[in-house]
Amino acid sequence: KNEVEQSPQNLTAQEGEFITINCSYSVGISALHWLQQHPGGGIVSLFMLSSGKKKHGRLIATINIQEKHSSLHITASHPRDSAVYICAVRSGRNSGGSNYKLTFGKGTLLTVNP
Amino acid sequence: KAGVTQTPRYLIKTRGQQVTLSCSPISGHRSVSWYQQTPGQGLQFLFEYFSETQRNKGNFPGRFSGRQFSNSRSEMNVSTLELGDSALYLCASSFTLGRSANTEAFFGQGTRLTVV
Repeated sequence: KNEVEQSPQNLTAQEGEFITINCSYSVGISALHWLQQHPGGGIVSLFMLSSGKKKHGRLIATINIQEKHSSLHITASHPRDSAVYICAVRSGRNSGGSNYKLTFGKGTLLTVNP
Repeated sequence: KAGVTQTPRYLIKTRGQQVTLSCSPISGHRSVSWYQQTPGQGLQFLFEYFSETQRNKGNFPGRFSGRQFSNSRSEMNVSTLELGDSALYLCASSFTLGRSANTEAFFGQGTRLTVV
């Protein structure tokens, strides 16, 4: 079993729909990241969470530390949101100023049709 | 503020050769981490450097190595290339302050390595 599980693997939506991508993890973490990757490879960090909820524009990320679960929501989805969304967890405690080992989920391929 | 810069963007090498990839972090960032992305394995952590010291290492053979310079720029080296080393190699930089866990990671565009 992978340490980080994402669902669904693939998601197709119509423009305007509300999207939810889920991430479950099995290890203790210090933070969880949601990343976006467009074709061509570049990765953009959308959110970093250690508790609660964050919102940026149409994107909302939540995390439940007790249940080891996080969700990424996209409201009013748009074709430009089409990308791979990756959940990554940062494990271990900071020591000496840095500990940036990330473990990644397999990603969710989102396609938003006009 | 310039982002994380990786060079080169694309590289084709022959089996058995070695390759060096470069990552220039955002100014002021002292942590640089490296990741390999393949279709089969997804994204996997390679190693992390902080203040010229390797802090963490992933589960990769010794052919994969790296270093960090005093200006925080980092290089990774793969020796005796194999076909399976074909991948997108990404680096990320972050600013760390003490033991704070609230440090965002900023990724470069990656270097796509093809081994033939």
